[in-house]
Amino acid sequence: DAGVIQSPRHEVTEMGQEVTLRCKPISGHNSLFWYRQTMMRGLELLIYFNNNVPIDDSGMPEDRFSAKMPNASFSTLKIQPSEPRDSAVYFCASKIGRNTEAFFGQGTRLTVV
Amino acid sequence: KQEVTQIPAALSVPEGENLVLNCSFTDSAIYNLQWFRQDPGKGLTSLLLIQSSQREQTSGRLNASLDKSSGRSTLYIAASQPGDSATYLCASSGGGADGLTFGKGTHLIIQP
Repeated sequence: DAGVIQSPRHEVTEMGQEVTLRCKPISGHNSLFWYRQTMMRGLELLIYFNNNVPIDDSGMPEDRFSAKMPNASFSTLKIQPSEPRDSAVYFCASKIGRNTEAFFGQGTRLTVV
Repeated sequence: KQEVTQIPAALSVPEGENLVLNCSFTDSAIYNLQWFRQDPGKGLTSLLLIQSSQREQTSGRLNASLDKSSGRSTLYIAASQPGDSATYLCASSGGGADGLTFGKGTHLIIQP
């Protein structure tokens, strides 16, 4: 398997624009997670899905953030409108079951100017 | 709310030394604890997963231990090599949630 695949790897956008980040989990994994990494706060969980259903979105910072998982092989994280403070590296991770390893994608580095 | 702390924040040692990285967590009701490695500009690579019922896990030169009662985990790296230079992160899941709570990491430099 190619692992968790995220796109794009880098995104530079202007404040106020809509940004969509994409993730393809490892085939057969039924849990998908979105994390954000910043120097100040480290890695933080934004939202996770089990079997395509959002379970916990308490980490989503504001209503400007939304995530979807329309099927088992694809998820999106959308920011609308984007702000400079959203600049960070966004990671997607997947795993199967509760007590198994989580595997991370390479991340999307988002810069909002 | 779970809090995970890693000490030290940075560590620099000569090649060949054995070393220990520390991780502590506040809520002992964890499902598991996972150690990761992150190279600059890269994603996270899973190193070891210790389930709550386990005391330790080993992979090659790495050994991770877990003491739930004291809220501590350690990652032991034997015979360190320059290629081990990276940031090491520990993370726990539990408390009814499957997501991971991360520490801030230990930035490790192995001097050739």
